Amino acid sequence: GNSVTQMEGPVTLSEEAFLTINCTYTATGYPSLFWYVQYPGEGLQLLLKATKADDKGSNKGFEATYRKETTSFHLEKGSVQVSDSAVYFCALSEGAGTALIFGKGTTLSVSS
Amino acid sequence: GAVVSQHPSRVICKSGTSVKIECRSLDFQATTMFWYRQFPKQSLMLMATSNEGSKATYEQGVEKDKFLINHASLTLSTLTVTSAHPEDSSFYICSARDGGGGGINSPLHFGNGTRLTVT
Repeated sequence: GNSVTQMEGPVTLSEEAFLTINCTYTATGYPSLFWYVQYPGEGLQLLLKATKADDKGSNKGFEATYRKETTSFHLEKGSVQVSDSAVYFCALSEGAGTALIFGKGTTLSVSS
Repeated sequence: GAVVSQHPSRVICKSGTSVKIECRSLDFQATTMFWYRQFPKQSLMLMATSNEGSKATYEQGVEKDKFLINHASLTLSTLTVTSAHPEDSSFYICSARDGGGGGINSPLHFGNGTRLTVT
């Protein structure tokens, strides 16, 4: 079945450090891929997405590229801020109307 | 922007009682809503898919008689945990897909979740 695997956290970085959160997936078809973020005390918010191979999703300085050959969708940011501290979830969806399948989430903690 | 309101945010109940969690789409019609359960340090696990006006579709291993889902209108879905036990303590999150078209590109909006503690 379909699944998403994320690197385990927590990830602890200093402000302005480079961030990578690895995400790989297993899918039978051609899924769309997503990164969601959950800030403390808030609900899940869509951070970025990519719907086909080689697409790059980007938002708020974060980006991720849909790599079909490595079945990956790693999240990167060149310079993290304290305000980026949150839990990040990688997810996939295989078709219209279907639910998202999530990874376990990675907690990012950025200190000044 | 589109908002999904989930209520209550926290609830504590005694073992054997039932708890109802509401999920409302505030400014869009949600033909489909999804209910997830999140255990500590684990992924969000899909429990069921709720379609307006029809029976919910439950994932394997989820007891439909224990987790009753009702999606009676295009803006409201409810999850009732019946005869709750301590092992039902968890974080429950709903999400709703904007029924305005767009298929896979229709945005999926999430509620803030409900922390259920059964004593």
